[in-house]
Amino acid sequence: QKEVEQNSGPLSVPEGAIASLNCTYSDRVSQSFFWYRQYSGKSPELIMSIYSNGDKEDGRFTAQLNKASQYVSLLIRDSQPSDSATYLCAVKGIGSQGNLIFGKGTKLSVKP
Amino acid sequence: DAGVIQSPRHEVTEMGQEVTLRCKPISGHNSLFWYRQTMMRGLELLIYFNNNVPIDDSGMPEDRFSAKMPNASFSTLKIQPSEPRDSAVYFCASSFWDSNQPQHFGDGTRLSIL
Repeated sequence: QKEVEQNSGPLSVPEGAIASLNCTYSDRVSQSFFWYRQYSGKSPELIMSIYSNGDKEDGRFTAQLNKASQYVSLLIRDSQPSDSATYLCAVKGIGSQGNLIFGKGTKLSVKP
Repeated sequence: DAGVIQSPRHEVTEMGQEVTLRCKPISGHNSLFWYRQTMMRGLELLIYFNNNVPIDDSGMPEDRFSAKMPNASFSTLKIQPSEPRDSAVYFCASSFWDSNQPQHFGDGTRLSIL
């Protein structure tokens, strides 16, 4: 059974701090990794994708991937109250024919 | 470009009634996914299609659930008969059939079965 694990939280950080969200996955041959943000009552929205080991930066967001440790993380710098949402980690493997395996999400709360 | 379009946005119906949820994927996408989300179970994949063909329906909870994709631009998820435990938010997502491509979600249908 392919699994994606996330700490459910809630993770609470003060405004301006760095929020660190973590995700582990069980399928060693996973190739593509995605972070989605979901506001309460809304649909998941893609915010980051990463495919190779290392860091990928996009504005205040940095995704980090370590395939040897089967670990992917999302850092949010200068956290804002508007970043308060649930963050879903999703993983796609070789031959998955498009299917993503989602974690249950980490709820982030940024306090003003 | 238009995103994934789902209808209706909200559905309230009585137990035993038939429910039909509709989805129009992003033009050009050849994979379509139906998900159900609840607080208890999170986001669950129900079924997905590639090039209009169902690939994996192992997530469909019971025979009461069925899904079709008659063409590349339309899919339905039907529940008959509906039960209160089917109450959830149902999302449709689409993507290109390529391991590097993410899925894009519709706004969802919030289903309440009384």
